[in-house]
Amino acid sequence: AQKITQTQPGMFVQEKEAVTLDCTYDTSDPSYGLFWYKQPSSGEMIFLIYQGSYDQQNATEGRYSLNFQKARKSANLVISASQLGDSAMYFCAMRGPGTASKLTFGTGTRLQVTL
Amino acid sequence: DAMVIQNPRYQVTQFGKPVTLSCSQTLNHNVMYWYQQKSSQAPKLLFHYYDKDFNNEADTPDNFQSRRPNTSFCFLDIRSPGLGDAAMYLCATDPGRGGTDTQYFGPGTRLTVL
Repeated sequence: AQKITQTQPGMFVQEKEAVTLDCTYDTSDPSYGLFWYKQPSSGEMIFLIYQGSYDQQNATEGRYSLNFQKARKSANLVISASQLGDSAMYFCAMRGPGTASKLTFGTGTRLQVTL
Repeated sequence: DAMVIQNPRYQVTQFGKPVTLSCSQTLNHNVMYWYQQKSSQAPKLLFHYYDKDFNNEADTPDNFQSRRPNTSFCFLDIRSPGLGDAAMYLCATDPGRGGTDTQYFGPGTRLTVL
């Protein structure tokens, strides 16, 4: 069984600062994918970044980077230069091998960006 | 440019009155998923279609049904909505190549049950 743990229910960050959202995972599959999604108050689930278990380098997408530490089973999301529009709920998720495998979500972290 | 479209965005129904939510996609993806998300919770998978093959999660109530008439469209039918079915319903798709595919979500339909 797969499990995702997000220990920060809420986080505050000042505009233009960097913030790290924590995510740890547990799985017995050697092959898996890790994902971060952003969910603003409108409800849409927006894909941010993906990291494969065999990827040697940390994934980056613009202001988002994923700090992947395989031995520690962590996949933290780093948002650089926070903007007011980054205020949202952030979900870490993972899925194992196989087509249409289940996407397992963490409980989410609500990020609030302040002036 | 919208790739996964859900209609309507907001749906109000009465207790016990059947309701249908719609999802369409322009990505030509093989797999379509329906999730239920209640307030302040993570999304919960209800079922998915791989092409025409329907896969139900073990704990999905019988009150929830789904149809996929073609590759582009998928419908969620709630036969007799209860107050506990009020939630955001999210549709997602992926190509169906493997477990590391990214799932792309639609904007969701927020269901209110009166």
